[in-house]
Order: sequence, then C-alpha cells, then structure tokens
Amino acid sequence: NAGVTQTPKFQVLKTGQSMTLQCAQDMNHEYMSWYRQDPGMGLRLIHYSVGAGITDQGEVPNGYNVSRSTTEDFPLRLLSAAPSQTSVYFCASSYFTRGYEQYFGPGTRLTVT
Amino acid sequence: TQLLEQSPQFLSIQEGENLTVYCNSSSVFSSLQWYRQEPGEGPVLLVTVVTGGEVKKLKRLTFQFGDARKDSSLHITAAQPGDTGLYLCAGARQAGTALIFGKGTTLSVSS
Repeated sequence: NAGVTQTPKFQVLKTGQSMTLQCAQDMNHEYMSWYRQDPGMGLRLIHYSVGAGITDQGEVPNGYNVSRSTTEDFPLRLLSAAPSQTSVYFCASSYFTRGYEQYFGPGTRLTVT
Repeated sequence: TQLLEQSPQFLSIQEGENLTVYCNSSSVFSSLQWYRQEPGEGPVLLVTVVTGGEVKKLKRLTFQFGDARKDSSLHITAAQPGDTGLYLCAGARQAGTALIFGKGTTLSVSS
C-alpha cells in the first residue's frame, strides 16, 4: 500500500493563479480531510469528506474548494491564490469517522508570491 | 481561543534527560491522540487514549489521560536524539467529530 499520496511536493504560485493539490489514498478509508500547517499554529482543518459525494467545511475553508467523486481521491482547489495561503498542506484519511487515527500524506509546501 | 493548549512550545534537552509535555483544555474530550512529526513529513500517530485516567506506555514514552478527560501528558524517559521532532496532541470532543489539534511542542535532543 502506498498509503496517502500528495502531489506536488512543492509549488510556487503568483497571486491570482489557480491550482489543484492532489490527494489519493489506497486504504479504502471513508473519511478524508485537508489541513494547513503554519508556524506556531498547529494543524487547522480546511475541508473534510465522510464519503464519496459528501464534503463539508472545516475551521478555515475560505479560498478553497473540494470535491469527492471517488473514495480514493480528494483534491483541494485554490481558485485565486493569495499570499495568506502560503503554507504546508496535508491531506489525511481515516476509517469511519473523524475521531479515529489519521493517516497523513507527506505534505505540499505552497508559496504564493 | 485555542481549545487544546500544549506546553512547553519548545524544549531543548540533553540525551538521557527526562521530559514531560502537557496538553490541556477546559473542555472534555471523548478521546485524545498524540502524533509525532519529523521535518518534511506528515504527522504519525503514537497513541490514542479514550478512558479517563488511562495510562499507555510505548517503550520510553508514557501517555496519560486525565481523570476528567480534559488533559493529557506525554513523558519521555532517557530521551535520545531520535526523539527529536514536533509532538502534537489532538482531541475529539465527541465520537465521530473532527479532531482539534494543539499547536505542538518542538523537542530537540542533543547528544
């Protein structure tokens, strides 16, 4: 099993550009989520999904969109990047519900200039 | 308001020393997890505690969940350089609800 994979590893964007961060898991986990990690801020939940076709907002959803067309994939879209979105983004998945062990991907380091 | 307060934020110690990291809240949690994160990688789960007063041991690491399920601690005995990393606590206020993460404790162990 590859676990949770994320692409790209690094990305630099200009303000206003759009992009999609990819996330895939091969563990047949129902629950998937996106976090951002900033220095001294811990991990903050952006969006999450409890199954294919179902998504919901987390703590910091503004500026981000998600969709869940399959169990395996959960892409995160930035429609118009802003410098405030410079961060490290982690995708995570888990069995059943959100209180269970989270398996994290290796992260995507995004810089918006 | 940070629901889970971790302390200390930074800890720099010598190999062989003992240390304790704290995770405190005014809220009750149905379960609490501890993760360890190394630079450039995602967090990895160390332990989950679910019962008030529960103590779990993982080699030199001892985890405790407070009796009232509002706080937790991580104690490392005889720290080694390999213990260096960011330690995060995360709690679920109710079963099936989203995990809330603390800001983390950065541990550096030098030989």
